[in-house]
Amino acid sequence: KAGVTQTPRYLIKTRGQQVTLSCSPISGHRSVSWYQQTPGQGLQFLFEYFSETQRNKGNFPGRFSGRQFSNSRSEMNVSTLELGDSALYLCASRFGTSAYNEQFFGPGTRLTVL
Amino acid sequence: AQSVTQLDSQVPVFEEAPVELRCNYSSSVSVYLFWYVQYPNQGLQLLLKYLSGSTLVKGINGFEAEFNKSQTSFHLRKPSVHISDTAEYFCAVTPSGGYNKLIFGAGTRLAVHP
Repeated sequence: KAGVTQTPRYLIKTRGQQVTLSCSPISGHRSVSWYQQTPGQGLQFLFEYFSETQRNKGNFPGRFSGRQFSNSRSEMNVSTLELGDSALYLCASRFGTSAYNEQFFGPGTRLTVL
Repeated sequence: AQSVTQLDSQVPVFEEAPVELRCNYSSSVSVYLFWYVQYPNQGLQLLLKYLSGSTLVKGINGFEAEFNKSQTSFHLRKPSVHISDTAEYFCAVTPSGGYNKLIFGAGTRLAVHP
């Protein structure tokens, strides 16, 4: 079974721009979560989608948004980029939303904001 | 709310030596516990998890962890490490009920030297 894929793997943007990151979950998985990883803040939860509905949201400003499509693929969008948004963005998929469902992580998208 | 403390930011060790990576958590509700490994330029891979039952959990790559409820700890151990174990290790918790996110510790960088 193919793993979680994220595109693009690397991205360079300038302040004020917006960016869209894509995540394709493992086949059959209906839940997709997004995490931000930075050296200073570590791994922080952004949001989780299940069946096209946002089920849970972390403590991030409204510039961070996401959506999920009917095929479970997910995108996250960051508008008005700031230097502090430079990070590795990780997507994780799982079969359901129960806490015991294992989350499988993709390789991440490395976003650099100049 | 839950929190995770990984007591060591870096652990240097020689090849074939034993290693213990320490993790303590705080939570007012019951939780599930996880250890993930991250190799350079990759996403997170699940090493092992504790959901219930036996407090000694065995995972992949020869790792094991012991859940200690009274000490709220979930330390990761390996009796003999290899160079290939050099990576970042993350301890994570999630409440056992509801739509819940993973809460990660800051990570421990394990450096195995020849």
